[in-house]
Amino acid sequence: DTAVSQTPKYLVTQMGNDKSIKCEQNLGHDTMYWYKQDSKKFLKIMFSYNNKELIINETVPNRFSPKSPDKAHLNLHINSLELGDSAVYFCASSQGTAGPPQHFGDGTRLSIL
Amino acid sequence: AQSVTQLGSHVSVSEGALVLLRCNYSSSVPPYLFWYVQYPNQGLQLLLKYTTGATLVKGINGFEAEFKKSETSFHLTKPSAHMSDAAEYFCAVSDSGAGGTSYGKLTFGQGTILTVHP
Repeated sequence: DTAVSQTPKYLVTQMGNDKSIKCEQNLGHDTMYWYKQDSKKFLKIMFSYNNKELIINETVPNRFSPKSPDKAHLNLHINSLELGDSAVYFCASSQGTAGPPQHFGDGTRLSIL
Repeated sequence: AQSVTQLGSHVSVSEGALVLLRCNYSSSVPPYLFWYVQYPNQGLQLLLKYTTGATLVKGINGFEAEFKKSETSFHLTKPSAHMSDAAEYFCAVSDSGAGGTSYGKLTFGQGTILTVHP
């Protein structure tokens, strides 16, 4: 029973397109995150939501817009995709903000042609 | 600003041998420190964490790590490697002084791939 699930697993698209990545967790956690892992394996926080409220918003282009319809879901929409957006995007969750991300999804590998 | 350096992008050990994965950090405030493990094509899992208190912390799967402030290190060890330990390991640091958002703003190292030989 998958704890944090992301869809799609792979996303190949052209520059300029708009795409979304969905994330759902069934752990009952109330905090969710989006991380970006670049080609050198560096992981960097993008956003964090706690009970549907944005609590971390790092320096990310406005083309990236997270949406949390409820505390079990955190989706990521990306407009006007650029070559530099190619990366693996990980969703994660934790209970409250008094602890680190505990569970990560398997990642979405985004490739921009 | 914080940073994490993991010494050695690849570590290879024999089954049953000691595992030692090195992590050094830089932080201007008392840090929170973490180790994560990532199996192929999977997301990261939290292995163990240090926040305050005892400097030797134990995690899952027999791993442990010791926070050494004087050496700014948080090395991960396991007395006896098992084939199932083969994975990539990430050390991470967060700023304890950032309140409730501390934990999400993790700074990760580049990872160390552990290979275990029979």
